[in-house]
Amino acid sequence: QKEVEQDPGPLSVPEGAIVSLNCTYSNSAFQYFMWYRQYSRKGPELLMYTYSSGNKVDGRFTAQVDKSSKYISLFIRDSQPSDSATYLCAMRGAGNMLTFGGGTRLMVKP
Amino acid sequence: EPEVTQTPSHQVTQMGQEVILRCVPISNHLYFYWYRQILGQKVEFLVSFYNNEISEKSEIFDDQFSVERPDGSNFTLKIRSTKLEDSAMYFCASTRGRSSYEQYFGPGTRLTVT
Repeated sequence: QKEVEQDPGPLSVPEGAIVSLNCTYSNSAFQYFMWYRQYSRKGPELLMYTYSSGNKVDGRFTAQVDKSSKYISLFIRDSQPSDSATYLCAMRGAGNMLTFGGGTRLMVKP
Repeated sequence: EPEVTQTPSHQVTQMGQEVILRCVPISNHLYFYWYRQILGQKVEFLVSFYNNEISEKSEIFDDQFSVERPDGSNFTLKIRSTKLEDSAMYFCASTRGRSSYEQYFGPGTRLTVT
């Protein structure tokens, strides 16, 4: 079983839709959870990070962590064409090494 | 806004040659990282570096790889004898402290080994 699994998509939605992106993981040692956005041929850009189970809201973005199910989500409300990118979940345990999911490609159509 | 920078943006080299990829982390950051992303695959951790020492490294980071902070601003990744399978995007990242989970990534260097 892969440590971090993420549906590769592509996920195509109309502008204004609510987007739900998800990752599952197998390693119980993961404590910190992040979402990165990556545009084509660019470096990952940190969007949000969370530590505990629950929700965290930052503008149009909501990160959700369910440690009991080993499941994390990123919700984007009122999606915009500029949100079109690949979204990577990443997680780490006590060390600093990030383990990434494979990324979900999102396309928001005007 | 401070950012991580990397040079060159694209490096083409022949198999067996040595390459050095360069990074300038954010100035008040203390922890530095290299990751790579083979085309179409996951971003993979290579190594972390703090206080002039390697903190963690992955199985990928074998004897062909080395890292160095040659001065107060640069952080380098050297690949001694490149192989075709080393072709990838290489990302440098940095964080302020060990407990910081905000790793800031540079734009990457595309390495092509022919």
